[in-house]
Amino acid sequence: NAGVTQTPKFQVLKTGQSMTLQCAQDMNHNSMYWYRQDPGMGLRLIYYSASEGTTDKGEVPNGYNVSRLNKREFSLRLESAAPSQTSVYFCASTSGSGMGELFFGEGSRLTVL
Amino acid sequence: AQKITQTQPGMFVQEKEAVTLDCTYDTSDPSYGLFWYKQPSSGEMIFLIYQGSYDQQNATEGRYSLNFQKARKSANLVISASQLGDSAMYFCAMREGPGNYGQNFVFGPGTRLSVLP
Repeated sequence: NAGVTQTPKFQVLKTGQSMTLQCAQDMNHNSMYWYRQDPGMGLRLIYYSASEGTTDKGEVPNGYNVSRLNKREFSLRLESAAPSQTSVYFCASTSGSGMGELFFGEGSRLTVL
Repeated sequence: AQKITQTQPGMFVQEKEAVTLDCTYDTSDPSYGLFWYKQPSSGEMIFLIYQGSYDQQNATEGRYSLNFQKARKSANLVISASQLGDSAMYFCAMREGPGNYGQNFVFGPGTRLSVLP
């Protein structure tokens, strides 16, 4: 009953360091998303992947890269972290069928010093 | 341009009263979906209710209903008989296009609801 799993849950980085946020879903969903949440700004889309092998930029892609490794996994990489990337990151997925609602992971809190 | 607008940063409601959270959206796509999510203080995102652009009737799900006014491009969430556990952030979201192609989902800034005993 895992759903969408994100790792790590918490991370502290120094400016300039790199890291990868991992996301995996076990619901056989086609589409996966990465959002960041900042106070007063809701969730802003960084990148999404409509299906395995495709990725598209969202509203705030600068400073990030993504990889859709397979149908289950969608990773988000910060190549050179900046304090402006301090945020809570959410991964989500959807099958696209029925209502097509997003299923979310628990979130990853990233602090860049 | 902001695609989802939630004009109420914070709302208070008395326990057992009804409350309406406002949401307006902007799209030129005839096919879209509207969603409401709840985020309690623990941080998880909980899906509440969905309205499709072609749905003729307003969606309902238990104590939640969606007041869909297509011409006004509004999709307000109504919570009846508020409970203390309803205190949370509420986000309105929109998916443009039919759901089977992995479209962009956009979220509004959210409304923080506080239910008073």
